Amino acid sequence: EVQLVESGGGLVQPGESLRLSCAASGFSLSSYSMNWVRQAPGKGLEWVSYISSNSATIYYADSVKGRFTISRDNAKNSLYLQMNSLRAEDTAVYYCARVKTTADSASDYWGQGTLVTVSS
Amino acid sequence: QSVLTQPPSVSAAPGQKVTISCSGSSSNIGNNYVSWYQQLPGTAPKLLIYDNNKGPSGIPDRFSGSKSGTSATLGITGLQTGDEADYYCGTWDNSLSVWVFGGGTKLTVL
Repeated sequence: EVQLVESGGGLVQPGESLRLSCAASGFSLSSYSMNWVRQAPGKGLEWVSYISSNSATIYYADSVKGRFTISRDNAKNSLYLQMNSLRAEDTAVYYCARVKTTADSASDYWGQGTLVTVSS
Repeated sequence: QSVLTQPPSVSAAPGQKVTISCSGSSSNIGNNYVSWYQQLPGTAPKLLIYDNNKGPSGIPDRFSGSKSGTSATLGITGLQTGDEADYYCGTWDNSLSVWVFGGGTKLTVL
C-alpha cells in the first residue's frame, strides 16, 4: 500500500525556518517524481514545488522561489522541503504527493498533510 | 486569483447528475492533460480523474472527465450525500512552468 507521511510542521515566527519531511512507503521513491502542495486555512490548493526522481529537474512556485528548497534522499525514501524566511502567508497545511510520471502529470497519492503556522 | 477558473459552488439532488467546469488557456488546459481531485471535509485531496478522462483504480465510473479546447469538465452521476466535497481541477502551465489548480468547487448534495 502506498503511504506518504509528512512531518515537521509547527508554529514558527516570521523570518524563521522549518524543514518538512515526507516519508514514503509501499513503492520505490527513486522511481517517482514528487510534488509539495499547500492549502491555507479555508482556501484552495496551491502547488509549491516539484522534483524529478533523480533531482535533476526542480520547479518552484513564484511565491516561494528563493526561500524554499525541495530535496530528496531516495536511499532513505524521503522527500524534504526546507522553508526559510517564513511569512504569515506561508501558513498552510503542506501535502507531499507522488507524481504519476513527469512534471505535467497528475499527483496520484497524497499524504495527510502537516500544518505550518507562521505567527508572532 | 487562480489561473484555472471553476464555479465556486454547485448543487444537485441525490441521484441526479452534476457537472463542474474548469476553464483555462492554450498555455495550460489547451496543451496539457487535466486531472481532477476530490477533497472530502477534513481530509487530503484524492485523485479522481487523470489524463483528461481516465479514472484510477477504485474510482467509481459515476465520475467522468472530458476536455475540449481550453476547458475541461468533471461529471458526477447518481449523486450521493457522500459526494459532498470540494473538487479541484489541475494541469501544467507551459508558459509559467508551474502546476496550476482551479480555485475549487464546493459540491452540495441537497
